[in-house]
Amino acid sequence: GQQVMQIPQYQHVQEGEDFTTYCNSSTTLSNIQWYKQRPGGHPVFLIQLVKSGEVKKQKRLTFQFGEAKKNSSLHITATQTTDVGTYFCAGRDFGNEKLTFGTGTRLTIIP
Amino acid sequence: NAGVMQNPRHLVRRRGQEARLRCSPMKGHSHVYWYRQLPEEGLKFMVYLQKENIIDESGMPKERFSAEFPKEGPSILRIQQVVRGDSAAYFCASSPGRGTQPQHFGDGTRLSIL
Repeated sequence: GQQVMQIPQYQHVQEGEDFTTYCNSSTTLSNIQWYKQRPGGHPVFLIQLVKSGEVKKQKRLTFQFGEAKKNSSLHITATQTTDVGTYFCAGRDFGNEKLTFGTGTRLTIIP
Repeated sequence: NAGVMQNPRHLVRRRGQEARLRCSPMKGHSHVYWYRQLPEEGLKFMVYLQKENIIDESGMPKERFSAEFPKEGPSILRIQQVVRGDSAAYFCASSPGRGTQPQHFGDGTRLSIL
């Protein structure tokens, strides 16, 4: 079955430093979504990427979808304490409604 | 608009009892998804339902677990004869339709088995 892996599993950064998490799927994806989950909270939808090579930006967050539609990345510029949480990618196969969530990257910020 | 509503937020059961978890999707959403999350882990897909139909239950354990989404009322995830390993957070998500729709999550039910 489809597997979605994320690296790193944990990332500790100084406030103001950049952060990147990488997502790799074992199969070609129809689309990929990114979610953020704060400690003790629920996943919150951030963005969806559909097209090969697509790049989208949300303020300090930059999302990329690979040309082969099998990998994706999330980059945060100049991290802030509000960025703390676990970031999940979630991939959807063609013709399948099921989202397969990645293993997540937990970001902690050192003030 | 009210978001996805899950109840109870916390549920404690003894081994062998039944657990019933409820999920009311966002208004206008007809697609419901259930996920399980163990501590420090990602979300594992369990089941996808539309009104009165189970569309994909490939992530559901074959025994003790069942789900429904009746014509009226919330979606129910039912776990019979619970065991310690069932302790987890169970999240429900809903979307308005198929394809590229994002999923909106509820606050989850934290199930603890004594």
